Amino acid sequence: GAGVSQTPSNKVTEKGKYVELRCDPISGHTALYWYRQSLGQGPEFLIYFQGTGAADDSGLPNDRFFAVRPEGSVSTLKIQRTERGDSAVYLCASSLTNRETQYFGPGTRLLVL
Amino acid sequence: KQEVTQIPAALSVPEGENLVLNCSFTDSAIYNLQWFRQDPGKGLTSLLLIQSSQREQTSGRLNASLDKSSGRSTLYIAASQPGDSATYLCAVSGGEGSSNTGKLIFGQGTTLQVKP
Repeated sequence: GAGVSQTPSNKVTEKGKYVELRCDPISGHTALYWYRQSLGQGPEFLIYFQGTGAADDSGLPNDRFFAVRPEGSVSTLKIQRTERGDSAVYLCASSLTNRETQYFGPGTRLLVL
Repeated sequence: KQEVTQIPAALSVPEGENLVLNCSFTDSAIYNLQWFRQDPGKGLTSLLLIQSSQREQTSGRLNASLDKSSGRSTLYIAASQPGDSATYLCAVSGGEGSSNTGKLIFGQGTTLQVKP
């Protein structure tokens, strides 16, 4: 079956602009996670959704970052007033429940110039 | 705060060797531990998940063990092949005082090169 998909695969933007990153989880997976990975590092947790609600947003670095999952399926990560330090790969993962294997998408590579 | 460490950071072996990758974590109150593989420029592929009540999991040439009390896990790869070349990441969920969200705390990974 289809895995987790993310769009766009690459995004180049200018400092100060607004960006949206989209994640399509595996059908039927109630848990959805966003992570951020910098070069040479392991992924870092950003936010966790259980269904439509953000159950844990403790990893969001500041209030420029926001994420939604309005219908409990597709999620969008939104970054306002982007900064060069936001450049990274943004990974999305989903799982049947929050105790089971997380399946990752290919990521969105964000470059802020 | 949970911290995950992977040693070594990089490893190069000749084809056919058996090898062990190490992962340690500071807080033993985990829910589970996962091993992932990441190819350059790609997302993560799940290899094995070990629940906190389990001691090991096996899949093909891979065997992962978990010793919660000592805060350690190993990933054993038998008869390594050039196609095994990738970065291997260890991640844990849970920890003392954490809510059961399943969020993963990752190590920095071990980059493996298997030479033909």
